[in-house]
Amino acid sequence: NAGVMQNPRHLVRRRGQEARLRCSPMKGHSHVYWYRQLPEEGLKFMVYLQKENIIDESGMPKERFSAEFPKEGPSILRIQQVVRGDSAAYFCASGAESYGYTFGSGTRLTVV
Amino acid sequence: EDQVTQSPEALRLQEGESSSLNCSYTVSGLRGLFWYRQDPGKGPEFLFTLYSAGEEKEKERLKATLTKKESFLHITAPKPEDSATYLCAVHRGGSEKLVFGKGTKLTVNP
Repeated sequence: NAGVMQNPRHLVRRRGQEARLRCSPMKGHSHVYWYRQLPEEGLKFMVYLQKENIIDESGMPKERFSAEFPKEGPSILRIQQVVRGDSAAYFCASGAESYGYTFGSGTRLTVV
Repeated sequence: EDQVTQSPEALRLQEGESSSLNCSYTVSGLRGLFWYRQDPGKGPEFLFTLYSAGEEKEKERLKATLTKKESFLHITAPKPEDSATYLCAVHRGGSEKLVFGKGTKLTVNP
């Protein structure tokens, strides 16, 4: 989707490896939301970050998952020691309620 | 806990056959209800935001309405290109996250 850039589009990792997903928000935005979409499930909120701050991480699994949004560069969602259950589509969004949140095209993570 | 239930899970229509999708929600202090369209392999695409009961919004063949407990997405004379999964989400006051339903997969046959 125009504006929010995610990469890579597809990522294959072996069990136990690390996955790094990147997201750049729309131009002029300094915040991002991360969501996960498991097969046959709805989108689930993971974390909300502003530059250099985690605002709400209530949806993040307690272990192996972390997120950051440095002063310079994209936001990173990091999954350590991936397991097959981490296979999903991960989406990033930015925007505001008044004009709708814009989602990126997502990163499809496959753990083999 | 905020909940969003969409029905039906899947809907097949013939081109030109109008219908409605339902989104029932339970949320304390609704700040906004969102409709998105999602095509296979893509991210959700924003359609509408509704804020208060009685509000309606339209875009081409789509019209969204809102009551205190549910929202409807009406599709008038659909075309095959309207085929997609339609997602409903709620935004609660004091929270930054959207809570999504599982979606309705719409297929429009020519």
